[in-house]
Amino acid sequence: DIVMTQTPLSLPVTPGEPASISCRSSQSLLNSDDGNTYLDWFLQKPGQSPQLLIYTLSYRASGVPDRFSGSGSGTEFTLKISRVEAEDVGVYYCMQRINFPLTFGGGTKVEIK
Amino acid sequence: EVQVVESGGGLVQPGRSLRLSCTTSGFTFGDYAMSWFRQAPGKGLEWVGIVRSKTYGGTTEYAASVKGRFTISRDDSKSIAYLQMNSLKTEDTAMYYCAREIIADPWGQGTLVTVSS
Repeated sequence: DIVMTQTPLSLPVTPGEPASISCRSSQSLLNSDDGNTYLDWFLQKPGQSPQLLIYTLSYRASGVPDRFSGSGSGTEFTLKISRVEAEDVGVYYCMQRINFPLTFGGGTKVEIK
Repeated sequence: EVQVVESGGGLVQPGRSLRLSCTTSGFTFGDYAMSWFRQAPGKGLEWVGIVRSKTYGGTTEYAASVKGRFTISRDDSKSIAYLQMNSLKTEDTAMYYCAREIIADPWGQGTLVTVSS
C-alpha cells in the first residue's frame, strides 16, 4: 500500500497570511501512461463531511476559491493557501488514487492563531 | 444540484449485518463509479471501496480491512449505491460516507454505524 505522510500535524495561521501543507507519498503518484499525477486534497470543516478542494495534483474543484492551489511532483506535494480566511479552518487531507487501496494522509489541522 | 445522501446506520451487535444506502440525485447515476469511505470517531479518513459503472463492468475494489465482509453494489434504476456489511466488528464503528466517483465529489453527510454489544 502507498503510505501518505502529511506535515505539519497542526498549523496555526493568521488571517490574510499564506499557509502551506506538505504531503509525501511512499511511491510516485505519476502515471507515466497519461502524465497525470493522482493526488487529491480534501478539507473537512468542523462538524462537516469532507469536501474536495484539489484533484489530480493541481485542478481546483468546482466552487473552490483560487486562493487554494496544489503543486508538486512524483512523491512530494504541497497545498498552498495564498491568503488564509477564517472559513478555511478544519482538517486538510491528501489522498492518492493511482493505486488501490486509495490511501489518505493523517491530516493537518488548520486553526486561526 | 448533485446530491448524495447516506442512510441505514445505527447500533448493531458484533457479528451482525447492516446495509447502508447512498441515494443520489442531480446526475446520471449510471455513468459514474461510487465510492465509500469511513471515519472512526476522532480519527482520519479511510477508503472502504468502490463500485465502477456498468461501462467498466460494475466491478468492485475493497480495502483489505473489509474485503470478504463488505460488499458494494449498485441499482442504476434507482440511482442508489449500497454497502452491505457482514460480520461486523467493533473496529468498524465509524461515520460512513459515500461520494460520487473515484474523484470523490461530492460527499454525503454520512451515516453513523456503531458496533457494540
